[in-house]
Amino acid sequence: GAGVSQSPRYKVAKRGQDVALRCDPISGHVSLFWYQQALGQGPEFLTYFQNEAQLDKSGLPSDRFFAERPEGSVSTLKIQRTQQEDSAVYLCASSPSFERGGRNEQFFGPGTRLTVL
Amino acid sequence: GNSVTQMEGPVTLSEEAFLTINCTYTATGYPSLFWYVQYPGEGLQLLLKATKADDKGSNKGFEATYRKETTSFHLEKGSVQVSDSAVYFCALSDKKTSYDKVIFGPGTSLSVIP
Repeated sequence: GAGVSQSPRYKVAKRGQDVALRCDPISGHVSLFWYQQALGQGPEFLTYFQNEAQLDKSGLPSDRFFAERPEGSVSTLKIQRTQQEDSAVYLCASSPSFERGGRNEQFFGPGTRLTVL
Repeated sequence: GNSVTQMEGPVTLSEEAFLTINCTYTATGYPSLFWYVQYPGEGLQLLLKATKADDKGSNKGFEATYRKETTSFHLEKGSVQVSDSAVYFCALSDKKTSYDKVIFGPGTSLSVIP
């Protein structure tokens, strides 16, 4: 079946531009996560949705970052007034439930590589 | 706070060599532990996991044992193949949160040469 998809796969933005990154999770998955992965580093948590509710946005680096999942399926991560330090790969992951304890596997998309010039 | 440390790469091995990638963690309580793998051009995939002390996770010939006393979760494989070339991430999930908030290590790049 279809996995998690993200678009665009690559995005080049001029500093100061706004960008929108899309995530299509696996159909029926309740939980959705966004991560930021800088070059040569591990992914860092940005935000978490359970259905349409954003339950945790503690990882968003600034108020220029905004995420939504209005109908509990597709999610968009928006970055306003992009800066060079925003250059990274943005990963989306979904999982079938909100069960905790490591029994609820996260499935990752291929990521969007954002380059801010 | 919670964190994960893993050995720096890149690691280069010959085919059929033994692999160990060290991972240690700092966490409050007893987290769940994971190894994720990122093959070239592909997304992150869960390789194996362990949810409590002394559990052994295994998959595709890889193994890791949850060692509470040493706060470690080292990844091992007895005989690596060229197809194992990838970046490996050790990670934990704090059970105190209401969902699996995963914290990743920096990753270790492995290259296996024929």
